[in-house]
Amino acid sequence: DQQVKQNSPSLSVQEGRISILNCDYTNSMFDYFLWYKKYPAEGPTFLISISSIKDKNEDGRFTVFLNKSAKHLSLHIVPSQPGDSAVYFCAATALSSGTYKYIFGTGTRLKVLA
Amino acid sequence: DTEVTQTPKHLVMGMTNKKSLKCEQHMGHRAMYWYKQKAKKPPELMFVYSYEKLSINESVPSRFSPECPNSSLLNLHLHALQPEDSALYLCASSQERLAGGNIQYFGAGTRLSVL
Repeated sequence: DQQVKQNSPSLSVQEGRISILNCDYTNSMFDYFLWYKKYPAEGPTFLISISSIKDKNEDGRFTVFLNKSAKHLSLHIVPSQPGDSAVYFCAATALSSGTYKYIFGTGTRLKVLA
Repeated sequence: DTEVTQTPKHLVMGMTNKKSLKCEQHMGHRAMYWYKQKAKKPPELMFVYSYEKLSINESVPSRFSPECPNSSLLNLHLHALQPEDSALYLCASSQERLAGGNIQYFGAGTRLSVL
């Protein structure tokens, strides 16, 4: 069963507009959520994270919102730029066997149109 | 320097071959990870090393054998693989394994094809 889901496999947005990427999860024991970006032929790179005790974290153009009651988080990118075109993964962390493990969502491919 | 280096970038091997994937980091991180990613799927955790000791094996078949010779290096030894093992193999490292908000830094991966 997929504990972390990204239901939109792809998203297209005009340059300068807002991109909103969504992620849903099922396990209320997750304590941190992270967003990673992946370009082709590169590994995932960390973007932004949020603790489960917060509802918002902002870093420059990137803001992550967490709604614990809905078990939903979203990544907002404002303004979107062509260089943001990539696959975005959300990940949740859970303690297992004394180690925090990442559980990744299936990813959303963002295309920012110039 | 937040770089994790993986070699080789591409690998083609037969089902009877023995090969190794290598991963190196010089960030002083004490936790290192192997992930497997199939096309259009999320990365799936295979192994976690912490302070050079294996702390998690996600029920990975024994044809995959990890090794951590020192705190900077992580190897994945491959033997008698099956075609379904063809995937992108990602290595990652983090400062340590016990912090929930631990950021993992990923290499670019090795794309493995098993014929």
